[in-house]
Parts: sequence; C-alpha cells; structure tokens
Amino acid sequence: NAGVTQTPKFRVLKTGQSMTLLCAQDMNHEYMYWYRQDPGMGLRLIHYSVGEGTTAKGEVPDGYNVSRLKKQNFLLGLESAAPSQTSVYFCASTAGQGTQYFGPGTRLTVT
Amino acid sequence: GESVGLHLPTLSVQEGDNSIINCAYSNSASDYFIWYKQESGKGPQFIIDIRSNMDKRQGQRVTVLLNKTVKHLSLQIAATQPGDSAVYFCAERATYNTDKLIFGTGTRLQVFP
Repeated sequence: NAGVTQTPKFRVLKTGQSMTLLCAQDMNHEYMYWYRQDPGMGLRLIHYSVGEGTTAKGEVPDGYNVSRLKKQNFLLGLESAAPSQTSVYFCASTAGQGTQYFGPGTRLTVT
Repeated sequence: GESVGLHLPTLSVQEGDNSIINCAYSNSASDYFIWYKQESGKGPQFIIDIRSNMDKRQGQRVTVLLNKTVKHLSLQIAATQPGDSAVYFCAERATYNTDKLIFGTGTRLQVFP
C-alpha cells in the first residue's frame, strides 16, 4: 500500500492564480482531512470529509474549497491564491478511530 | 521542511540517554491522545496512542504517560538514537467532536553523538 500520497510536492504560484492539490489514499478510509502547517504553529485544519460526497469546514477554511467525488481522493482548491496561503499542506486520512495517517506534504509558495 | 518548527521549544539529548517530551492538552473531556513524529521535509508519522481510561502505554522504546488531573501528556523515548531527531507533536481528540484532532505546536528533539 502506498498509504496517503499528495501531488504536487512543490508549487510556486503568483497572487491570483488558482491550483488544485490532490490527495489520494489506498486504505479505504472514510475520513480525509486537509491541514496547513506554518512555522511555530501546529497543524490547522482547513476542511475535512467524513465520506464520499461530503465535506465540512475546519478551523481555517477561508480561501479554500474541497471536493470528495471519490472515496479515495480529496481535492483542495485555491481559487485565487494569496501570499498568506504560503504554507506546507498536509492531507490525512483515518478509518474513523482517531489515528490519522498523513501524506508527505505539498510546499506551496505564493509570490 | 526547514520552515517547520523554527521557533519551537527544543530538547537536546545525548545519544543513548532517555528523552522526555511533554505536552499540555486543552480539553478535560478529550478521550484519545496521539503522539506524532515529524522529520524534516516529511509528514507526521504516528508513534503511539493512548485512551483516556489508561495512564500509561508502552511501545517499542517509547512510553506515553497520561495525567488527566493536570491535563498533561508525556512521551518517553528510551536509549535515544540519532534517528529520533525530529519534531514531536501531541494531538487530542475531544469527545464532542470525534472527527477531528487538535494538535500541539510541537517540540524539536535534537540528539547529539
């Protein structure tokens, strides 16, 4: 099993550009999450999903959208990137019992 | 990556010594706790977990202690090795919101030969 994978690994955007980050998991997990990680701060939840076709807002959802069209994939979209969205983004999944398994991260820089 | 943990508390230990990393959690109703390890440039990796009906749990070279009275969690690493160098996070699951975890800011562990 590959576990949780994320693409791309790195990306540089100009302010106002859009992009989509892809998360895929092969563990048949119901729950999937998108976090951002900034220096000196813990992981902050952006959006999450408790099953195919469902999404919900987390702690810092503004400026992001998500979709869960397939159980194994969870997409994070930035419609109009801002420098404040420069961060490292992590996707995680869980079967629902608490322990979340993380992907390797995507480093995004917005100039 | 290198940008993670620039201003984190740091614990420096000598190889072979035991390490103790501490975490204060926020919610007295939290029922489940996890320790994660994050190496530079990688995602957090599960180390060990503990439920609120326990006060101690042991794994391979790691022990987690839970003190619910003072809302304190600790991770003990025996015979610390250079490969243990990383940032360590605790996370709690609040019973009122079982879909989500709340993460601490982390502690950087540096192991010197």
